Amino acid sequence: AQSVTQLGSHVSVSEGALVLLRCNYSSSVPPYLFWYVQYPNQGLQLLLKYTSAATLVKGINGFEAEFKKSETSFHLTKPSAHMSDAAEYFCAVSEGGANNLFFGTGTRLTVIP
Amino acid sequence: GAVVSQHPSWVICKSGTSVKIECRSLDFQATTMFWYRQFPKQSLMLMATSNEGSKATYEQGVEKDKFLINHASLTLSTLTVTSAHPEDSSFYICSALRPGPADTQYFGPGTRLTVL
Repeated sequence: AQSVTQLGSHVSVSEGALVLLRCNYSSSVPPYLFWYVQYPNQGLQLLLKYTSAATLVKGINGFEAEFKKSETSFHLTKPSAHMSDAAEYFCAVSEGGANNLFFGTGTRLTVIP
Repeated sequence: GAVVSQHPSWVICKSGTSVKIECRSLDFQATTMFWYRQFPKQSLMLMATSNEGSKATYEQGVEKDKFLINHASLTLSTLTVTSAHPEDSSFYICSALRPGPADTQYFGPGTRLTVL
């Protein structure tokens, strides 16, 4: 069975500071991992995905995530937060392809001016 | 990135009526689409997987007779909430699976349903 844990339902950072959103997963097979962002009253937009290639994945808007098998983690980072990064971020895991995504509970990022 | 649209973006209806939500993949063909439900400040919960030309696969606890799904073409899936009640009020989001070396789900903008 697969599962996702996102530590911290709310994260606040100052504009220009490092963004770190945590995601740990559980999977019985090598996972596919995804980060999505959701702006208010909108659907989800794919930020990046890991599909068993390079462990450091670069996505859109300056975000990146590193797959660490030993830690079963896929944390999302961005060196310098922008006000426009304020949104809800979801980590998701899939056991093979993107057919069966299992989402974490989400982390709301607030960027303080 | 791929584009998925949903219509309507919001709808308000009276209790007991039925509401149809459309999900379209605009620039690719999707044999598989998904329907999710999101309650306020919660994550997405998969309701069903919609396969073109065949019956949808519903997740445990989702009433298939209440949430009718039709995937009649490679670019359109519809979700009909039948005999809607206030507890059906939610944010419904669809996604379309874009096949390829690394399958990816692309999400629609969501439909907010309010049942009075």
